[in-house]
Amino acid sequence: SQTIHQWPATLVQPVGSPLSLECTVEGTSNPNLYWYRQAAGRGLQLLFYSVGIGQISSEVPQNLSASRPQDRQFILSSKKLLLSDSGFYLCASITPGRNTEAFFGQGTRLTVV
Amino acid sequence: GQQVMQIPQYQHVQEGEDFTTYCNSSTTLSNIQWYKQRPGGHPVFLIQLVKSGEVKKQKRLTFQFGEAKKNSSLHITATQTTDVGTYFCGLRGANSKLTFGKGITLSVRP
Repeated sequence: SQTIHQWPATLVQPVGSPLSLECTVEGTSNPNLYWYRQAAGRGLQLLFYSVGIGQISSEVPQNLSASRPQDRQFILSSKKLLLSDSGFYLCASITPGRNTEAFFGQGTRLTVV
Repeated sequence: GQQVMQIPQYQHVQEGEDFTTYCNSSTTLSNIQWYKQRPGGHPVFLIQLVKSGEVKKQKRLTFQFGEAKKNSSLHITATQTTDVGTYFCGLRGANSKLTFGKGITLSVRP
């Protein structure tokens, strides 16, 4: 099965600072990759997904961006964080045609202060 | 696009009681997936349903896809404290988009 690596596990950043969260995938190739945000006690909000290198679909207009520079690397970025960017960020991977389930990383808990 | 809804968002049960939750859509769904997220953890895949009226069981968990493929249910028989967590239903769209309902957080009183 796949292994999804996310780091860091926790992050405290001041308002206005930049952000870069990285997700890498092992055990598969050509996966579909996803970034979700989960606010405290709330559901999984899809932020971005990618079906291939350089292909990014954005779901929610906001000050975040995503990039996929390599097949198994997905990066979430921001130039200037807002307080409302606080939350639990999860990366997920699905291998098309092989299995149906999404594998999630351990997540990054971001607190913007 | 297609969306799935889960109401309520919280439910509390006494250990040993049965628990049922639903996932609803206003449109016909091609598939439905269920995930469980333990407190402090990440979502873990439980099951996928694709056929009308499909029923799948995993030990004390029973999953069902409605005949019209517009709803799905998750039933837990004789809940245990290990069942605590948030259960999400998810929809995998034709364009590879994977979206989720808001989830239901289950707490179990010992």
